[in-house]
Amino acid sequence: GQQLNQSPQSMFIQEGEDVSMNCTSSSIFNTWLWYKQDPGEGPVLLIALYKAGELTSNGRLTAQFGITRKDSFLNISASIPSDVGIYFCAGHWGADGLTFGKGTHLIIQP
Amino acid sequence: EAQVTQNPRYLITVTGKKLTVTCSQNMNHEYMSWYRQDPGLGLRQIYYSMNVEVTDKGDVPEGYKVSRKEKRNFPLILESPSPNQTSLYFCASGFGSTQYFGPGTRLLVL
Repeated sequence: GQQLNQSPQSMFIQEGEDVSMNCTSSSIFNTWLWYKQDPGEGPVLLIALYKAGELTSNGRLTAQFGITRKDSFLNISASIPSDVGIYFCAGHWGADGLTFGKGTHLIIQP
Repeated sequence: EAQVTQNPRYLITVTGKKLTVTCSQNMNHEYMSWYRQDPGLGLRQIYYSMNVEVTDKGDVPEGYKVSRKEKRNFPLILESPSPNQTSLYFCASGFGSTQYFGPGTRLLVL
């Protein structure tokens, strides 16, 4: 099946720093999504991207859908302790479900 | 409150003992799906359902069954669980590419 390559696998940053993570795919997706998973919880949708080249913000989060529809990045500005968690990119194509990346573990040191 | 619920949240069982994990959503979504999450592998889709009585295999369907007799419910059935099905399971429902996840069921098969 389709695969998403998400990087980095983990990030250790200081509170207040900006964060950047990205996903690439060998396949084209119609929609690109970014989810966050807190410990012991299910993933929660952060941002959905529907058009190639689209740049969307949600508070301190900004995500872009690549022009080729094969990649996306997520930026978090001025990180705070509650940003800790696992961030997943996911691609959607047609009637199938979502294809997920393996996640980026974000750890913030106060 | 709009939500996806799963039961049980935690389950320890033995090899070969049939079990069912229930999933229910109150958002009138047509689309529902099951994922498993394993360390280093991210989320992988097991089965999905586009509507009542319509189900299809995801990326890792072996050893699982599902049914969709009602719109709100989508149970996951393990007829003869094996230790390699020890995992964290998530049910999701949604429309299009937007999916909402349940809180997860942690299963241990001895």
